[in-house]
Amino acid sequence: NAGVTQTPKFRILKIGQSMTLQCTQDMNHNYMYWYRQDPGMGLKLIYYSVGAGITDKGEVPNGYNVSRSTTEDFPLRLELAAPSQTSVYFCASRPGVGNTEAFFGQGTRLTVV
Amino acid sequence: GEDVEQSLFLSVREGDSSVINCTYTDSSSTYLYWYKQEPGAGLQLLTYIFSNMDMKQDQRLTVLLNKKDKHLSLRIADTQTGDSAIYFCAEHPASGGSYIPTFGRGTSLIVHP
Repeated sequence: NAGVTQTPKFRILKIGQSMTLQCTQDMNHNYMYWYRQDPGMGLKLIYYSVGAGITDKGEVPNGYNVSRSTTEDFPLRLELAAPSQTSVYFCASRPGVGNTEAFFGQGTRLTVV
Repeated sequence: GEDVEQSLFLSVREGDSSVINCTYTDSSSTYLYWYKQEPGAGLQLLTYIFSNMDMKQDQRLTVLLNKKDKHLSLRIADTQTGDSAIYFCAEHPASGGSYIPTFGRGTSLIVHP
Protein backbone atom coordinates (compact mmCIF):
# COMPACT_ATOMS: atom_id res chain seq x y z
CA ASN A 1 0.00 0.00 0.00
CA ALA A 2 1.19 3.50 -0.85
CA GLY A 3 -0.97 5.06 1.89
CA VAL A 4 -1.85 8.71 1.31
CA THR A 5 -0.17 10.31 -1.69
CA GLN A 6 -0.10 14.05 -2.29
CA THR A 7 1.09 15.83 -5.39
CA PRO A 8 2.85 18.10 -6.03
CA LYS A 9 5.37 18.32 -3.18
CA PHE A 10 6.24 21.94 -3.91
CA ARG A 11 4.61 24.69 -5.92
CA ILE A 12 5.02 28.41 -6.43
CA LEU A 13 1.96 30.28 -7.62
CA LYS A 14 1.48 33.87 -8.65
CA ILE A 15 -1.30 35.90 -7.03
CA GLY A 16 -4.58 35.22 -8.82
CA GLN A 17 -3.56 31.88 -10.29
CA SER A 18 -5.46 28.69 -9.57
CA MET A 19 -4.31 25.16 -8.89
CA THR A 20 -5.46 21.77 -7.62
CA LEU A 21 -3.66 19.86 -4.90
CA GLN A 22 -4.13 16.16 -5.46
CA CYS A 23 -4.68 13.58 -2.71
CA THR A 24 -5.17 9.84 -3.22
CA GLN A 25 -5.42 7.03 -0.68
CA ASP A 26 -5.42 3.31 -1.43
CA MET A 27 -6.65 2.09 1.97
CA ASN A 28 -10.38 2.33 1.22
CA HIS A 29 -10.83 4.88 3.99
CA ASN A 30 -14.14 6.66 4.30
CA TYR A 31 -12.96 9.83 5.99
CA MET A 32 -10.58 12.26 4.36
CA TYR A 33 -9.34 15.66 5.51
CA TRP A 34 -7.41 18.65 4.24
CA TYR A 35 -5.34 20.65 6.73
CA ARG A 36 -3.03 23.60 6.40
CA GLN A 37 -0.07 24.03 8.71
CA ASP A 38 1.42 27.42 9.45
CA PRO A 39 4.44 27.84 11.76
CA GLY A 40 3.46 27.66 15.42
CA MET A 41 -0.24 27.39 14.54
CA GLY A 42 -0.67 23.64 14.37
CA LEU A 43 -3.13 22.12 11.92
CA LYS A 44 -6.20 23.96 10.76
CA LEU A 45 -8.95 21.95 9.06
CA ILE A 46 -9.97 23.30 5.65
CA TYR A 47 -12.48 20.69 4.43
CA TYR A 48 -13.36 17.11 5.19
CA SER A 49 -15.35 14.28 3.68
CA VAL A 50 -17.02 11.27 5.27
CA GLY A 51 -17.53 9.41 2.02
CA ALA A 52 -17.81 9.72 -1.73
CA GLY A 53 -20.16 12.53 -2.68
CA ILE A 54 -20.13 14.11 0.80
CA THR A 55 -17.98 17.08 1.78
CA ASP A 56 -18.18 19.68 4.51
CA LYS A 57 -16.38 22.83 5.58
CA GLY A 58 -13.82 22.89 8.32
CA GLU A 59 -12.40 25.80 10.28
CA VAL A 60 -10.82 27.75 7.39
CA PRO A 61 -12.61 26.94 4.10
CA ASN A 62 -12.56 30.39 2.46
CA GLY A 63 -10.64 30.45 -0.81
CA TYR A 64 -10.76 26.66 -1.24
CA ASN A 65 -13.03 24.06 -2.76
CA VAL A 66 -13.09 20.26 -2.69
CA SER A 67 -14.82 17.37 -4.35
CA ARG A 68 -15.06 13.67 -3.52
CA SER A 69 -16.26 11.78 -6.57
CA THR A 70 -14.52 8.55 -5.53
CA THR A 71 -13.46 6.99 -2.23
CA GLU A 72 -9.81 7.26 -3.22
CA ASP A 73 -9.49 10.88 -4.34
CA PHE A 74 -10.01 14.13 -2.49
CA PRO A 75 -8.56 17.06 -4.49
CA LEU A 76 -8.31 20.56 -3.02
CA ARG A 77 -8.83 23.47 -5.40
CA LEU A 78 -7.41 26.94 -4.83
CA GLU A 79 -9.09 29.65 -6.89
CA LEU A 80 -7.48 33.10 -7.17
CA ALA A 81 -4.45 32.34 -5.01
CA ALA A 82 -3.53 34.91 -2.35
CA PRO A 83 -0.33 35.32 -0.28
CA SER A 84 -2.33 34.29 2.81
CA GLN A 85 -2.61 30.83 1.27
CA THR A 86 1.15 30.31 1.49
CA SER A 87 1.35 27.27 3.75
CA VAL A 88 2.03 23.57 3.94
CA TYR A 89 -1.02 21.50 3.07
CA PHE A 90 -1.64 18.03 4.41
CA CYS A 91 -4.19 15.50 3.32
CA ALA A 92 -5.18 12.76 5.80
CA SER A 93 -7.52 9.78 5.88
CA ARG A 94 -9.11 7.50 8.49
CA PRO A 95 -11.18 4.34 8.19
CA GLY A 96 -13.98 5.72 10.39
CA VAL A 97 -14.82 6.63 13.98
CA GLY A 98 -13.44 4.74 16.95
CA ASN A 99 -9.85 3.75 17.48
CA THR A 100 -8.65 4.72 14.07
CA GLU A 101 -5.50 6.69 13.58
CA ALA A 102 -5.20 9.32 10.88
CA PHE A 103 -2.78 8.62 8.05
CA PHE A 104 -1.10 11.67 6.58
CA GLY A 105 0.43 12.44 3.23
CA GLN A 106 3.87 14.01 2.98
CA GLY A 107 2.49 17.48 2.42
CA THR A 108 2.50 20.11 -0.32
CA ARG A 109 4.50 23.25 0.31
CA LEU A 110 2.78 26.12 -1.50
CA THR A 111 4.15 29.61 -1.90
CA VAL A 112 2.03 32.41 -3.38
CA VAL A 113 4.02 35.40 -4.64
CA GLY B 1 -16.60 22.30 21.96
CA GLU B 2 -13.33 20.44 21.79
CA ASP B 3 -9.99 22.09 22.30
CA VAL B 4 -6.52 20.62 22.71
CA GLU B 5 -3.73 22.69 24.28
CA GLN B 6 -0.03 21.98 24.48
CA SER B 7 3.11 23.97 25.11
CA LEU B 8 5.02 25.01 22.00
CA PHE B 9 8.65 24.24 22.84
CA LEU B 10 10.73 21.83 24.91
CA SER B 11 14.51 21.60 25.01
CA VAL B 12 16.30 18.65 26.64
CA ARG B 13 19.76 17.19 26.80
CA GLU B 14 20.49 13.89 25.07
CA GLY B 15 19.96 10.99 27.47
CA ASP B 16 17.50 12.86 29.68
CA SER B 17 13.77 12.18 29.79
CA SER B 18 11.35 14.43 27.91
CA VAL B 19 7.83 15.10 29.09
CA ILE B 20 5.37 16.72 26.72
CA ASN B 21 2.05 17.82 28.19
CA CYS B 22 -1.40 18.26 26.69
CA THR B 23 -4.86 19.19 27.98
CA TYR B 24 -8.15 18.43 26.26
CA THR B 25 -11.72 19.46 26.88
CA ASP B 26 -14.06 16.88 25.32
CA SER B 27 -15.86 15.08 28.12
CA SER B 28 -17.17 12.15 26.04
CA SER B 29 -15.35 8.87 25.55
CA THR B 30 -12.49 9.51 23.28
CA TYR B 31 -9.20 8.25 21.97
CA LEU B 32 -6.15 10.39 22.61
CA TYR B 33 -3.21 10.17 20.25
CA TRP B 34 0.37 11.33 20.01
CA TYR B 35 1.73 11.98 16.54
CA LYS B 36 5.32 12.81 15.55
CA GLN B 37 6.23 15.10 12.67
CA GLU B 38 9.81 15.08 11.43
CA PRO B 39 11.09 17.99 9.31
CA GLY B 40 9.58 18.06 5.84
CA ALA B 41 7.26 15.12 6.52
CA GLY B 42 3.66 14.43 7.44
CA LEU B 43 2.45 13.32 10.86
CA GLN B 44 2.91 9.71 11.93
CA LEU B 45 1.21 7.96 14.81
CA LEU B 46 3.42 7.31 17.84
CA THR B 47 0.96 5.90 20.34
CA TYR B 48 -2.59 6.26 21.63
CA ILE B 49 -4.64 5.74 24.78
CA PHE B 50 -8.36 5.34 25.36
CA SER B 51 -9.98 7.66 27.87
CA ASN B 52 -10.77 4.81 30.31
CA MET B 53 -7.07 3.99 30.77
CA ASP B 54 -4.55 5.65 33.11
CA MET B 55 -1.28 4.66 31.55
CA LYS B 56 0.21 3.00 28.54
CA GLN B 57 3.85 2.05 28.03
CA ASP B 58 5.49 1.25 24.72
CA GLN B 59 9.28 0.82 24.84
CA ARG B 60 10.73 4.28 25.58
CA LEU B 61 7.31 5.93 25.47
CA THR B 62 4.97 6.28 28.45
CA VAL B 63 1.57 7.93 28.14
CA LEU B 64 -0.14 9.10 31.33
CA LEU B 65 -3.76 10.18 31.45
CA ASN B 66 -5.38 12.14 34.27
CA LYS B 67 -9.06 11.96 33.42
CA LYS B 68 -10.17 14.26 36.20
CA ASP B 69 -7.94 17.09 35.00
CA LYS B 70 -8.19 16.06 31.32
CA HIS B 71 -4.40 16.09 31.20
CA LEU B 72 -2.31 13.86 28.95
CA SER B 73 1.45 13.51 28.94
CA LEU B 74 4.02 11.78 26.78
CA ARG B 75 7.27 10.77 28.41
CA ILE B 76 10.22 9.80 26.23
CA ALA B 77 12.94 8.01 28.18
CA ASP B 78 16.61 8.33 27.20
CA THR B 79 15.85 11.02 24.63
CA GLN B 80 18.00 10.87 21.49
CA THR B 81 18.78 13.47 18.84
CA GLY B 82 16.56 11.47 16.47
CA ASP B 83 13.64 12.30 18.73
CA SER B 84 13.89 15.97 17.73
CA ALA B 85 10.58 16.69 16.01
CA ILE B 86 7.19 18.28 16.53
CA TYR B 87 4.83 16.22 18.68
CA PHE B 88 1.09 16.64 18.30
CA CYS B 89 -1.52 15.64 20.81
CA ALA B 90 -4.86 14.76 19.19
CA GLU B 91 -8.32 13.81 20.30
CA HIS B 92 -10.47 11.50 18.15
CA PRO B 93 -14.11 11.05 19.10
CA ALA B 94 -14.90 7.41 19.87
CA SER B 95 -18.45 7.61 18.61
CA GLY B 96 -21.24 10.01 17.94
CA GLY B 97 -21.63 12.62 15.29
CA SER B 98 -18.19 14.18 15.20
CA TYR B 99 -15.88 12.89 12.51
CA ILE B 100 -13.15 15.40 13.10
CA PRO B 101 -9.97 14.74 15.07
CA THR B 102 -8.82 17.78 17.01
CA PHE B 103 -5.10 18.50 17.07
CA GLY B 104 -3.04 20.63 19.42
CA ARG B 105 -0.62 23.20 18.02
CA GLY B 106 2.33 20.85 18.41
CA THR B 107 5.33 20.87 20.75
CA SER B 108 8.73 21.31 19.14
CA LEU B 109 11.18 19.03 20.94
CA ILE B 110 14.82 20.02 20.59
CA VAL B 111 17.41 17.53 21.80
CA HIS B 112 20.92 18.85 22.23
CA PRO B 113 24.12 16.96 23.02
